[in-house]
Amino acid sequence: GAVVSQHPSWVICKSGTSVKIECRSLDFQATTMFWYRQFPKQSLMLMATSNEGSKATYEQGVEKDKFLINHASLTLSTLTVTSAHPEDSSFYICSARDLDGRANEQFFGPGTRLTVL
Amino acid sequence: DAKTTQPPSMDCAEGRAANLPCNHSTISGNEYVYWYRQIHSQGPQYIIHGLKNNETNEMASLIITEDRKSSTLILPHATLRDTAVYYCIVRVASYGQNFVFGPGTRLSVLP
Repeated sequence: GAVVSQHPSWVICKSGTSVKIECRSLDFQATTMFWYRQFPKQSLMLMATSNEGSKATYEQGVEKDKFLINHASLTLSTLTVTSAHPEDSSFYICSARDLDGRANEQFFGPGTRLTVL
Repeated sequence: DAKTTQPPSMDCAEGRAANLPCNHSTISGNEYVYWYRQIHSQGPQYIIHGLKNNETNEMASLIITEDRKSSTLILPHATLRDTAVYYCIVRVASYGQNFVFGPGTRLSVLP
């Protein structure tokens, strides 16, 4: 099946710094990628929908100026957490849809665990 | 997307079949039933999906009731590695549609 990778798999940073997380579709092209956040013992919550070549669509309550999303190519989307604070510590997961595949197939990355000290 | 209801947790003995139920009484005619699972600290893993017919693959079987208001995921021979949170999701097969995750069922496979 199609593979989605994330980098880094985990990161620890100081409060106030910015962290960039990459999401790559390794063997397929993805016009649309999704970014989710998951706090401990909770389910995944959609943060934003990332569209190649256009602005991301953010879910209600997600600050677009804090969580910057760039989808510059059909295989790469990045999420930058700007001025990170301890409350941003979470598990961030991306998913991607195969441009040439069936509309009902979506593939998830392994996740990135962010810890803000 | 239609909402789903799943039991919060279930136990299953190793080697036995695990039957995970899901209620989706408000499902629309064009919505599929998907099952994903998430092992601790990993991304969700696709298991199976179906529209109205029962489906089977190398991982599991999906039984959908005739009225499509509920379904059951069956892991025929559960192993310890099947311990995970299982999510039942219903959604249309649209390219731009994301998956809406509920709390899922935490399955514990016991030795």
